[in-house]
Amino acid sequence: NAGVTQTPKFRVLKTGQSMTLLCAQDMNHEYMYWYRQDPGMGLRLIHYSVGEGTTAKGEVPDGYNVSRLKKQNFLLGLESAAPSQTSVYFCASSFTGQGAKTEAFFGQGTRLTVV
Amino acid sequence: AQSVSQHNHHVILSEAASLELGCNYSYGGTVNLFWYVQYPGQHLQLLLKYFSGDPLVKGIKGFEAEFIKSKFSFNLRKPSVQWSDTAEYFCAVNFGGYQKVTFGTGTKLQVIP
Repeated sequence: NAGVTQTPKFRVLKTGQSMTLLCAQDMNHEYMYWYRQDPGMGLRLIHYSVGEGTTAKGEVPDGYNVSRLKKQNFLLGLESAAPSQTSVYFCASSFTGQGAKTEAFFGQGTRLTVV
Repeated sequence: AQSVSQHNHHVILSEAASLELGCNYSYGGTVNLFWYVQYPGQHLQLLLKYFSGDPLVKGIKGFEAEFIKSKFSFNLRKPSVQWSDTAEYFCAVNFGGYQKVTFGTGTKLQVIP
């Protein structure tokens, strides 16, 4: 089983460039999440989705946009990359909201460097 | 505001030593609790979880955690660590049934052979 797949795995951007990170899950999960992981700060939630066609802001949404046009895909966009967005990005999905006592399944991560 | 604290940022142990990693949260209501592990170069995966019932929960690979409500804690333990336990460990808390969890800052565990 593929689980949660993120593409690309690595990317280097110049300041001001744009890019889209793709997350795909094959577990028919309703909920999907985008996190960023920075040293000493753990995982911080950027945006999440509770179902196809819905999105919501997390802790650190500024500078990012997301879309959930299909249930299995959750896209994270950076319109104008900044060095502060250098990070490792993780996508996750869960069958229901984690308040309903379900765990999240994570992708392998995307290491993004903005120069 | 609800928060999750992991006070040990970096722990170094020799093989066969016992492990206890602290996790505290600030919230007086109902919580769901998780420990995730991230092995070097890999994604996060669930070690164990607590929702209700017996406050001592057992997870994979010999890990266990104890929920102490009065102390707002959910500490992770393992009686005897192995080199393969070298990883980063994250405590995560779902507060009051909301749709998402809050992660702690993580603890890097290094086990020396």
